[in-house]
Amino acid sequence: DTEVTQTPKHLVMGMTNKKSLKCEQHMGHRAMYWYKQKAKKPPELMFVYSYEKLSINESVPSRFSPECPNSSLLNLHLHALQPEDSALYLCASSSTDRVNEKLFFGSGTQLSVL
Amino acid sequence: GIQVEQSPPDLILQEGANSTLRCNFSDSVNNLQWFHQNPWGQLINLFYIPSGTKQNGRLSATTVATERYSLLYISSSQTTDSGVYFCAVATDKLIFGTGTRLQVFP
Repeated sequence: DTEVTQTPKHLVMGMTNKKSLKCEQHMGHRAMYWYKQKAKKPPELMFVYSYEKLSINESVPSRFSPECPNSSLLNLHLHALQPEDSALYLCASSSTDRVNEKLFFGSGTQLSVL
Repeated sequence: GIQVEQSPPDLILQEGANSTLRCNFSDSVNNLQWFHQNPWGQLINLFYIPSGTKQNGRLSATTVATERYSLLYISSSQTTDSGVYFCAVATDKLIFGTGTRLQVFP
């Protein structure tokens, strides 16, 4: 099973809403990632979790709050987002957080903030 | 930080044609991967290739780390090859290139 599953696939939210994105993998990977991708741009790293601990935060605004409840699950909690936060949010995993690891991506959540 | 440039930015092909995509990077790297992002947003890992040459069916990739570039070859292209191709390199973290948008028409 080489799959990373993300839910929901699409999400529309208002600027005062609170919502969560979910990511799950069952490959035994110990590193999980959140990336943000704007239209026609490459993915940009937001957060890295290694062994369920936050290891990298790429200066992401606090309205994005990641959580790793266990080694298989990664959440991204959203609160008071802005329209410019509309983007495709991608989750990925790898065996470890060493930079020479192969990354596996989910199919993403397309987020629209109204 | 490291710069990763891909060329061409856009490519239009007829089914059956061959193509070469290029990835140039500005510094030594520990990791280079090629990804295909399909029209639905899914990123598929095609190759992990920090150096050397690998082949997988109609696709092959070559990385010349000493000269800081990698090439992705697509032979006998099919409409399902359409999408965006990214290379990604890593020093302390994985950085994606600018991408090549490929459209294959029947």
